[in-house]
Amino acid sequence: KAGVTQTPRYLIKTRGQQVTLSCSPISGHRSVSWYQQTPGQGLQFLFEYFSETQRNKGNFPGRFSGRQFSNSRSEMNVSTLELGDSALYLCASSLGVLAGSYEQYFGPGTRLTVT
Amino acid sequence: AQKVTQAQTEISVVEKEDVTLDCVYETRDTTYYLFWYKQPPSGELVFLIRRNSFDEQNEISGRYSWNFQKSTSSFNFTITASQVVDSAVYFCALSEGSGGSNYKLTFGKGTLLTVNP
Repeated sequence: KAGVTQTPRYLIKTRGQQVTLSCSPISGHRSVSWYQQTPGQGLQFLFEYFSETQRNKGNFPGRFSGRQFSNSRSEMNVSTLELGDSALYLCASSLGVLAGSYEQYFGPGTRLTVT
Repeated sequence: AQKVTQAQTEISVVEKEDVTLDCVYETRDTTYYLFWYKQPPSGELVFLIRRNSFDEQNEISGRYSWNFQKSTSSFNFTITASQVVDSAVYFCALSEGSGGSNYKLTFGKGTLLTVNP
Protein backbone atom coordinates (compact mmCIF):
# COMPACT_ATOMS: atom_id res chain seq x y z
CA LYS A 1 0.00 0.00 0.00
CA ALA A 2 1.42 3.38 -0.97
CA GLY A 3 2.10 5.80 1.84
CA VAL A 4 1.17 9.43 2.17
CA THR A 5 2.64 11.49 -0.63
CA GLN A 6 3.31 15.20 -0.62
CA THR A 7 4.25 17.49 -3.46
CA PRO A 8 6.39 19.36 -3.98
CA ARG A 9 9.10 18.21 -1.61
CA TYR A 10 10.96 21.50 -1.67
CA LEU A 11 9.80 24.99 -2.45
CA ILE A 12 11.38 28.43 -2.39
CA LYS A 13 9.12 31.44 -2.43
CA THR A 14 9.44 35.16 -1.92
CA ARG A 15 7.76 37.17 0.81
CA GLY A 16 4.29 38.25 -0.21
CA GLN A 17 3.72 35.38 -2.62
CA GLN A 18 1.29 32.57 -2.06
CA VAL A 19 1.88 28.85 -2.15
CA THR A 20 -0.17 25.67 -2.52
CA LEU A 21 0.97 22.34 -1.13
CA SER A 22 -0.59 19.01 -2.02
CA CYS A 23 -1.14 15.81 -0.07
CA SER A 24 -2.45 12.42 -1.17
CA PRO A 25 -3.47 10.20 1.75
CA ILE A 26 -3.13 6.47 2.05
CA SER A 27 -5.80 4.72 0.01
CA GLY A 28 -8.94 4.33 2.10
CA HIS A 29 -8.01 7.04 4.57
CA ARG A 30 -10.53 9.84 4.62
CA SER A 31 -8.97 12.13 7.18
CA VAL A 32 -6.09 14.44 6.34
CA SER A 33 -4.33 16.66 8.83
CA TRP A 34 -1.68 19.29 8.29
CA TYR A 35 1.14 20.28 10.62
CA GLN A 36 3.83 22.91 10.59
CA GLN A 37 7.25 22.02 11.98
CA THR A 38 9.82 24.70 12.84
CA PRO A 39 12.90 24.60 15.07
CA GLY A 40 11.43 27.23 17.37
CA GLN A 41 7.81 26.18 17.71
CA GLY A 42 8.14 22.48 17.04
CA LEU A 43 5.22 20.56 15.56
CA GLN A 44 1.99 22.49 15.46
CA PHE A 45 -1.40 21.38 14.25
CA LEU A 46 -2.85 23.42 11.40
CA PHE A 47 -6.14 21.77 10.44
CA GLU A 48 -7.91 18.51 9.75
CA TYR A 49 -10.26 17.59 6.93
CA PHE A 50 -12.65 14.71 6.71
CA SER A 51 -15.10 14.11 3.88
CA GLU A 52 -14.24 17.47 2.32
CA THR A 53 -15.11 19.34 5.52
CA GLN A 54 -12.74 21.07 7.89
CA ARG A 55 -13.31 19.34 11.22
CA ASN A 56 -10.67 20.96 13.35
CA LYS A 57 -8.39 23.96 13.24
CA GLY A 58 -5.27 25.04 15.08
CA ASN A 59 -4.23 28.53 16.09
CA PHE A 60 -2.96 29.90 12.82
CA PRO A 61 -3.92 33.10 11.01
CA GLY A 62 -6.42 33.12 8.20
CA ARG A 63 -3.58 33.23 5.66
CA PHE A 64 -3.40 29.47 6.16
CA SER A 65 -6.23 27.63 4.52
CA GLY A 66 -6.94 24.22 3.12
CA ARG A 67 -9.40 22.06 1.34
CA GLN A 68 -10.11 18.44 0.64
CA PHE A 69 -11.39 16.90 -2.55
CA SER A 70 -13.83 14.06 -3.03
CA ASN A 71 -10.95 11.60 -3.52
CA SER A 72 -9.58 12.66 -0.08
CA ARG A 73 -6.61 14.46 -1.57
CA SER A 74 -5.94 17.71 0.23
CA GLU A 75 -4.28 20.99 -0.47
CA MET A 76 -3.16 23.71 1.86
CA ASN A 77 -2.61 27.28 0.80
CA VAL A 78 -0.61 30.02 2.45
CA SER A 79 -1.18 33.52 1.16
CA THR A 80 0.98 36.61 1.63
CA LEU A 81 3.97 34.59 2.73
CA GLU A 82 6.11 35.82 5.60
CA LEU A 83 9.65 34.84 6.50
CA GLY A 84 8.30 33.03 9.56
CA ASP A 85 6.33 30.68 7.36
CA SER A 86 9.54 28.90 6.44
CA ALA A 87 9.01 25.42 7.78
CA LEU A 88 8.51 21.77 7.08
CA TYR A 89 4.83 21.19 6.35
CA LEU A 90 3.69 17.69 7.15
CA CYS A 91 0.55 15.99 6.04
CA ALA A 92 -0.90 12.99 7.84
CA SER A 93 -3.74 10.67 7.05
CA SER A 94 -5.82 8.42 9.25
CA LEU A 95 -8.81 6.16 8.93
CA GLY A 96 -11.29 7.97 11.13
CA VAL A 97 -12.52 11.45 11.72
CA LEU A 98 -11.21 13.18 14.82
CA ALA A 99 -7.76 12.24 13.68
CA GLY A 100 -6.23 13.04 17.02
CA SER A 101 -7.74 9.91 18.47
CA TYR A 102 -6.30 7.63 15.77
CA GLU A 103 -2.80 6.82 14.76
CA GLN A 104 -1.77 9.02 11.91
CA TYR A 105 0.54 8.21 9.04
CA PHE A 106 2.77 11.03 7.91
CA GLY A 107 4.14 12.00 4.56
CA PRO A 108 7.74 13.11 3.98
CA GLY A 109 6.79 16.76 4.16
CA THR A 110 7.25 19.83 2.00
CA ARG A 111 10.17 22.04 2.95
CA LEU A 112 9.10 25.64 2.31
CA THR A 113 11.68 28.40 2.37
CA VAL A 114 10.51 32.00 2.22
CA THR A 115 13.12 34.58 1.22
CA ALA B 1 -5.27 23.49 27.86
CA GLN B 2 -3.30 20.44 26.91
CA LYS B 3 0.46 20.39 27.19
CA VAL B 4 3.24 17.86 26.64
CA THR B 5 6.68 18.24 28.17
CA GLN B 6 9.71 16.31 27.07
CA ALA B 7 12.35 17.63 29.42
CA GLN B 8 15.22 15.83 27.73
CA THR B 9 16.26 17.81 24.68
CA GLU B 10 19.10 15.51 23.68
CA ILE B 11 20.32 12.13 24.87
CA SER B 12 23.47 10.37 23.73
CA VAL B 13 24.13 6.71 24.49
CA VAL B 14 26.43 3.97 23.35
CA GLU B 15 25.01 1.06 21.41
CA LYS B 16 23.43 -1.67 23.57
CA GLU B 17 22.68 0.71 26.43
CA ASP B 18 19.08 1.02 27.62
CA VAL B 19 17.57 4.48 27.38
CA THR B 20 14.35 6.01 28.69
CA LEU B 21 12.68 9.00 27.12
CA ASP B 22 10.45 10.95 29.47
CA CYS B 23 7.08 12.45 28.67
CA VAL B 24 4.86 14.38 31.06
CA TYR B 25 1.47 15.64 29.98
CA GLU B 26 -1.21 17.98 31.25
CA THR B 27 -4.89 17.70 30.49
CA ARG B 28 -8.21 18.40 32.13
CA ASP B 29 -10.07 15.78 30.12
CA THR B 30 -10.75 12.32 31.43
CA THR B 31 -10.68 10.91 27.92
CA TYR B 32 -7.50 11.46 26.00
CA TYR B 33 -4.96 9.67 23.85
CA LEU B 34 -1.20 9.52 24.08
CA PHE B 35 1.17 8.76 21.24
CA TRP B 36 4.84 8.34 20.50
CA TYR B 37 6.27 9.12 17.08
CA LYS B 38 9.78 8.70 15.75
CA GLN B 39 11.31 11.13 13.26
CA PRO B 40 14.49 9.75 11.69
CA PRO B 41 16.85 12.02 9.75
CA SER B 42 14.76 11.46 6.61
CA GLY B 43 12.08 13.62 8.25
CA GLU B 44 9.04 11.39 8.01
CA LEU B 45 7.28 10.81 11.32
CA VAL B 46 6.68 7.17 12.12
CA PHE B 47 3.87 6.09 14.42
CA LEU B 48 5.06 3.93 17.33
CA ILE B 49 2.21 3.59 19.81
CA ARG B 50 -1.22 4.89 20.79
CA ARG B 51 -2.65 4.59 24.27
CA ASN B 52 -6.02 5.78 25.56
CA SER B 53 -6.50 7.23 29.02
CA PHE B 54 -8.44 4.22 30.29
CA ASP B 55 -5.75 1.71 29.51
CA GLU B 56 -2.84 1.96 31.91
CA GLN B 57 -1.31 -1.35 30.98
CA ASN B 58 2.32 -1.10 30.06
CA GLU B 59 3.22 -2.32 26.63
CA ILE B 60 6.23 -4.04 25.18
CA SER B 61 7.02 -4.37 21.50
CA GLY B 62 10.36 -5.97 20.85
CA ARG B 63 13.02 -3.69 22.25
CA TYR B 64 10.48 -0.92 22.89
CA SER B 65 8.38 -0.57 26.02
CA TRP B 66 6.07 2.09 27.34
CA ASN B 67 5.16 2.95 30.92
CA PHE B 68 1.90 4.85 31.32
CA GLN B 69 1.21 6.24 34.81
CA LYS B 70 -1.84 8.44 35.23
CA SER B 71 -0.90 9.22 38.83
CA THR B 72 2.17 11.12 37.64
CA SER B 73 0.77 12.07 34.20
CA SER B 74 3.67 10.37 32.52
CA PHE B 75 4.04 8.19 29.47
CA ASN B 76 7.69 7.17 29.28
CA PHE B 77 9.34 5.24 26.49
CA THR B 78 12.24 2.83 27.00
CA ILE B 79 14.46 1.37 24.33
CA THR B 80 16.34 -1.71 25.47
CA ALA B 81 19.71 -2.57 23.97
CA SER B 82 19.73 0.52 21.77
CA GLN B 83 21.01 0.35 18.22
CA VAL B 84 22.43 2.97 15.88
CA VAL B 85 19.23 2.78 13.81
CA ASP B 86 17.32 4.07 16.84
CA SER B 87 18.96 7.45 16.37
CA ALA B 88 16.14 9.90 15.71
CA VAL B 89 13.99 12.56 17.27
CA TYR B 90 11.21 11.06 19.36
CA PHE B 91 7.98 12.93 19.95
CA CYS B 92 5.38 12.34 22.59
CA ALA B 93 1.92 13.66 21.72
CA LEU B 94 -1.41 14.14 23.44
CA SER B 95 -4.88 14.40 22.01
CA GLU B 96 -7.87 15.50 24.02
CA GLY B 97 -11.39 16.41 23.04
CA SER B 98 -12.63 19.90 23.60
CA GLY B 99 -16.26 19.47 24.49
CA GLY B 100 -16.08 15.89 23.35
CA SER B 101 -16.00 16.69 19.68
CA ASN B 102 -12.64 17.81 18.42
CA TYR B 103 -9.44 16.02 19.12
CA LYS B 104 -6.32 18.07 18.48
CA LEU B 105 -2.90 16.54 18.59
CA THR B 106 -0.36 18.44 20.69
CA PHE B 107 3.28 17.41 20.39
CA GLY B 108 6.12 17.78 22.84
CA LYS B 109 9.29 19.48 21.66
CA GLY B 110 10.93 16.14 21.01
CA THR B 111 14.02 14.35 22.30
CA LEU B 112 16.97 13.86 19.98
CA LEU B 113 18.42 10.43 20.65
CA THR B 114 21.87 9.66 19.32
CA VAL B 115 23.11 6.10 19.58
CA ASN B 116 26.83 5.85 19.03
CA PRO B 117 28.52 2.65 17.84
